[in-house]
Amino acid sequence: SQTIHQWPATLVQPVGSPLSLECTVEGTSNPNLYWYRQAAGRGLQLLFYSVGIGQISSEVPQNLSASRPQDRQFILSSKKLLLSDSGFYLCAWRGDLNHNEQFFGPGTRLTVL
Amino acid sequence: GNSVTQMEGPVTLSEEAFLTINCTYTATGYPSLFWYVQYPGEGLQLLLKATKADDKGSNKGFEATYRKETTSFHLEKGSVQVSDSAVYFCALPNGSYQLTFGKGTKLSVIP
Repeated sequence: SQTIHQWPATLVQPVGSPLSLECTVEGTSNPNLYWYRQAAGRGLQLLFYSVGIGQISSEVPQNLSASRPQDRQFILSSKKLLLSDSGFYLCAWRGDLNHNEQFFGPGTRLTVL
Repeated sequence: GNSVTQMEGPVTLSEEAFLTINCTYTATGYPSLFWYVQYPGEGLQLLLKATKADDKGSNKGFEATYRKETTSFHLEKGSVQVSDSAVYFCALPNGSYQLTFGKGTKLSVIP
């Protein structure tokens, strides 16, 4: 069966510091991968998605970036965090292109101080 | 593109009450429809889905029927429990790769 991991689970970072969040998927190959952000009390905002290694689509211009160095690894990064980057970051995957559902990881709670 | 509108909460119910969370959609054709649930501090879980018109998705006592006449996919449960307290999201595909989510409805069930 497929599983999706995210780490770290929680992170507290000062403004201006760098960021690296990692997401890995097991039990599937060539998944579509997604990064979402959920601000406190708000809905989901799609940040990036990837349909293959090295292929990244950005949905919202901001100081975040994403990379996909391996088939089942998706990384979210920032060179300098802003206060507004605080939130709950969710990674998701979609395996079968005949079905549209996405499956989510446990999330990373980021607090920027 | 496709879009979804769901009732805004919060919704507060007593245990064993009947639950309805409304969801309506605008879409080209008849895409699959989904309900996701997010428990506090966790990621989203797929609760149920319907892949074609008139289908009924069900799971854990929750049900939703894909109604093309009213472009709706309302979530229902006959008797809610405290453990059902969570945020519920309606969703549908938008384009080849993305899902569009509603804004979420927070449900609180009190004993």
